[in-house]
Amino acid sequence: DGGITQSPKYLFRKEGQNVTLSCEQNLNHDAMYWYRQDPGQGLRLIYYSQIVNDFQKGDIAEGYSVSREKKESFPLTVTSAQKNPTAFYLCASTGGTGPNEKLFFGSGTQLSVL
Amino acid sequence: DQQVKQNSPSLSVQEGRISILNCDYTNSMFDYFLWYKKYPAEGPTFLISISSIKDKNEDGRFTVFLNKSAKHLSLHIVPSQPGDSAVYFCAATKAAGNKLTFGGGTRVLVKP
Repeated sequence: DGGITQSPKYLFRKEGQNVTLSCEQNLNHDAMYWYRQDPGQGLRLIYYSQIVNDFQKGDIAEGYSVSREKKESFPLTVTSAQKNPTAFYLCASTGGTGPNEKLFFGSGTQLSVL
Repeated sequence: DQQVKQNSPSLSVQEGRISILNCDYTNSMFDYFLWYKKYPAEGPTFLISISSIKDKNEDGRFTVFLNKSAKHLSLHIVPSQPGDSAVYFCAATKAAGNKLTFGGGTRVLVKP
């Protein structure tokens, strides 16, 4: 079955620690996205990548970093500079860049601070 | 500054009745709108969309209405079913790219 796999489902971060969230897709999609969900605030875009080896900052990129070395993989690192990392993180992909291209989401990673 | 707003955080409706979810936007450059449905601890799934050249799009029990002059769209679910209980997100984008801007979501509870 084609889809997007996020791991781990739950992740705990100690203060000062960097953690990396995994996102893998086998949909052969070019574009991949990372969103953060906080209660009552909807989904906010952290980073996106429309092609391998290229990515752009979204609306709330500070304290995060990404890489796109392979088409199917778009890992997100939450650095120690992100002071409020507790949130539900969603990875998404789409096959094109037009407005009719629907986003396909993974099942998310809940990150909490110890 | 939230460009897409869903002012009702929650909605409770009886099974079989109509659910109406509202969404307002401020950016006049938005011309494509989508609704996503999300169950707890899962990723959102696409539900229905509408282009700004239309004022209505229907798919089974789901209908989206767009009022461009008021910068307002709504999602109607008729009849509502218990399986419709979820959080619904409104999203908007410009035609040139598909960076979506999401609203804060509306939690719908359909009571049997």
